[in-house]
Amino acid sequence: DAKTTQPTSMDCAEGRAANLPCNHSTISGNEYVYWYRQIHSQGPQYIIHGLKNNETNEMASLIITEDRKSSTLILPHATLRDTAVYYCIVRIMNYGGATNKLIFGTGTLLAVQP
Amino acid sequence: DTEVTQTPKHLVMGMTNKKSLKCEQHMGHRAMYWYKQKAKKPPELMFVYSYEKLSINESVPSRFSPECPNSSLLNLHLHALQPEDSALYLCASSQLAGASAERLNTEAFFGQGTRLTVV
Repeated sequence: DAKTTQPTSMDCAEGRAANLPCNHSTISGNEYVYWYRQIHSQGPQYIIHGLKNNETNEMASLIITEDRKSSTLILPHATLRDTAVYYCIVRIMNYGGATNKLIFGTGTLLAVQP
Repeated sequence: DTEVTQTPKHLVMGMTNKKSLKCEQHMGHRAMYWYKQKAKKPPELMFVYSYEKLSINESVPSRFSPECPNSSLLNLHLHALQPEDSALYLCASSQLAGASAERLNTEAFFGQGTRLTVV
């Protein structure tokens, strides 16, 4: 799986959009970008994933650059409950066997301030 | 039901004890995972099962022994652990994609973990 680079920490004001960047310059054509978050002392929670098109769901939006070397996770209206570590992961589609890895990088600690 | 249930939530064990962690899911997922997470670190992959067979072992010491008795259950047997093995142990499950399933949701669902302390 390709490596990802994320800022160690970020702050965001409550009610504002939180934009979390991720660099994955060595991503290959069949690798997807996944985002998870982990609120303190809980298990990681899936947020969103995409291949090359931008994606949106009820939690967030994912913007992937045209060359696919970086992406941005957008939380449109951050709340205090969004304070968590956000992980950007690249992996190939989960066909099982030796390809079935989900490897976490160091992530970004997002602190939403009141 | 989109839950992965892990038991127990907390476990304290001595270095000579034998104990087991249990993980259960009823989402029909055929991939199941064990992760270990130390404080302020990301989860580290330990084992992956695909279709109830061990497909990935990330060079984990033999004092950790995984078992997948059926498609809903995953166990982690612990024996002769060391204090440095104290950590949060996370279980996860996901679907496996078929050859033409580009949009299949294969995201992993995680349990809340077992907080293990080895004394």
